[in-house]
Amino acid sequence: SAVISQKPSRDICQRGTSLTIQCQVDSQVTMMFWYRQQPGQSLTLIATANQGSEATYESGFVIDKFPISRPNLTFSTLTVSNMSPEDSSIYLCSGLGTDTQYFGPGTRLTVL
Amino acid sequence: EDKVVQSPLSLVVHEGDTVTLNCSYEVTNFRSLLWYKQEKKAPTFLFMLTSSGIEKKSGRLSSILDKKELSSILNITATQTGDSAIYLCAVVEYGNKLVFGAGTILRVKS
Repeated sequence: SAVISQKPSRDICQRGTSLTIQCQVDSQVTMMFWYRQQPGQSLTLIATANQGSEATYESGFVIDKFPISRPNLTFSTLTVSNMSPEDSSIYLCSGLGTDTQYFGPGTRLTVL
Repeated sequence: EDKVVQSPLSLVVHEGDTVTLNCSYEVTNFRSLLWYKQEKKAPTFLFMLTSSGIEKKSGRLSSILDKKELSSILNITATQTGDSAIYLCAVVEYGNKLVFGAGTILRVKS
């Protein structure tokens, strides 16, 4: 099974700044995703990270706010730009293997 | 719009009880259904179901898919306090898009 690591594991940021979250998978996965989980809510898909091209964003999420890169099969970054307190959430990286979906440990972001 | 609905939203039981969690879905291109247990930050994979009527079992947990009824159930027998968690159901569509349900919060009291 794939192991997915994320960093940072948590951060406290000021309004208006940006944070980049890194995700590394230890083996190749077919697809990589970024999710957000706000307090008391289920997982919401932000986008699918595409290798070497622009990510595919879900309704309500835009590239200017959540730029995503995936330079190779096992690494991706998500940037939360111009943050506001409403962006406080857990951000999860995920990889789709041949028979299941694996999740990273998550990044807990607090925006003051 | 594709959606996955879980019920109940929350449940409190005593140790030793058996619980059944429900997941129903309306999606365009169903591929498979996944169950997860979420205790802290990241969900832990439990089951992947693709075929109707075939039960998957792991210890005290079992799950089955009914494609005709567009639903799945997750059973937990002889519950323990360690089973307290949020149980998430997600449907995988062709194209590998996942749609998550809101989850069922299970609390097992000792």
